[in-house]
Amino acid sequence: GQNIDQPTEMTATEGAIVQINCTYQTSGFNGLFWYQQHAGEAPTFLSYNVLDGLEEKGRFSSFLSRSKGYSYLLLKELQMKDSASYLCAVRDRWGDDKIIFGKGTRLHILP
Amino acid sequence: SQTIHQWPATLVQPVGSPLSLECTVEGTSNPNLYWYRQAAGRGLQLLFYSVGIGQISSEVPQNLSASRPQDRQFILSSKKLLLSDSGFYLCACFGTVTGANSPLHFGNGTRLTVT
Repeated sequence: GQNIDQPTEMTATEGAIVQINCTYQTSGFNGLFWYQQHAGEAPTFLSYNVLDGLEEKGRFSSFLSRSKGYSYLLLKELQMKDSASYLCAVRDRWGDDKIIFGKGTRLHILP
Repeated sequence: SQTIHQWPATLVQPVGSPLSLECTVEGTSNPNLYWYRQAAGRGLQLLFYSVGIGQISSEVPQNLSASRPQDRQFILSSKKLLLSDSGFYLCACFGTVTGANSPLHFGNGTRLTVT
């Protein structure tokens, strides 16, 4: 079976750092995506990790540990516009490139 | 870069009516195509995915169906809509651009309300 878990909601303060965790159990693994989604809009791509380690892109970083079935998205210097849902998704190559999403983490930024 | 065309943006349909949502992709060839549905305040549920023309995999048994008549065209259909079919429908594409895997790109989505 497949299971992707992430916290339902998180709250952080403007200017701070927040880490959103994602754990997964899938029959196959060929990469993990992070997306940002504002209410009423389509998701926008943030990162795609295939190998273990940390990848940094400006204020956002994503980490992957395949042996632990674990990833996190790190957001630094939080801005009010970062208030959104953050979606973790796993590419399961075992199943013909099926891509499954977690339920998303709604991030609230307080001034 | 890839462009995904999805229409209409919003749709209101009565219960029992048929549905056809079309998605077309530009800027890539032989992509993997996906249909997701998102209920209000919920995550993305994978409905169908396709790795090639005429090849459709279904994730959730329901009254929806999908077809891929051309390489860059993916259609979601229903013969009779249910109230529970209301949601935000997103088409997505995962393909290769200049030999490298590109991210999963989404269309702008169709917000369907079944009344």
